[in-house]
Amino acid sequence: GESVGLHLPTLSVQEGDNSIINCAYSNSASDYFIWYKQESGKGPQFIIDIRSNMDKRQGQRVTVLLNKTVKHLSLQIAATQPGDSAVYFCAENRGGATNKLIFGTGTLLAVQP
Amino acid sequence: GAGVSQSPSNKVTEKGKDVELRCDPISGHTALYWYRQSLGQGLEFLIYFQGNSAPDKSGLPSDRFSAERTGGSVSTLTIQRTQQEDSAVYLCASSLKTGLGAYNEQFFGPGTRLTVL
Repeated sequence: GESVGLHLPTLSVQEGDNSIINCAYSNSASDYFIWYKQESGKGPQFIIDIRSNMDKRQGQRVTVLLNKTVKHLSLQIAATQPGDSAVYFCAENRGGATNKLIFGTGTLLAVQP
Repeated sequence: GAGVSQSPSNKVTEKGKDVELRCDPISGHTALYWYRQSLGQGLEFLIYFQGNSAPDKSGLPSDRFSAERTGGSVSTLTIQRTQQEDSAVYLCASSLKTGLGAYNEQFFGPGTRLTVL
């Protein structure tokens, strides 16, 4: 079936470096793509989203890039901090009336001090 | 302000028993979702409620799973005759009203960790 998947299950970076987390999706009809951060024992926390008619969106220290040609999504975190250590999920929203999210399996980001 | 709350935070039960998980959405949010997260996995959609409309139950894995939303606010997810494979974290999310062409951010609760022995 269709799914959203991640290339790298674990990413280890040094504090201060930039991090890039990648995600592949398979449904070209998806309207929104969202990145969530999940810390241990907590629910997912919204980071940033991007609509399918855009290819780049920036937030505070984060940038999401969308390449619809190859169905690829990435999250860039600038100047990674220890507090960024968490599991990051990409999710796609296929629109329609329910707005339900289809999640990938997640990438663990470990920031080394 | 208050976010989405869920109770209990942890539940340990024996195989074959029924369990009820509770979700209190953010006040004013008319859309409510249940997701399941197995160990080391992403979230799996279970069910969706929107106002007084019929719920979208397309993600429920079996007829042992059911959910209610009373008065358009609090929701209860019930699992009957629990099995070991039901062990997971059950997450609830709420958002403002959804509709065709509209997307609203989903806010997640901390989840209920269910362990079936």
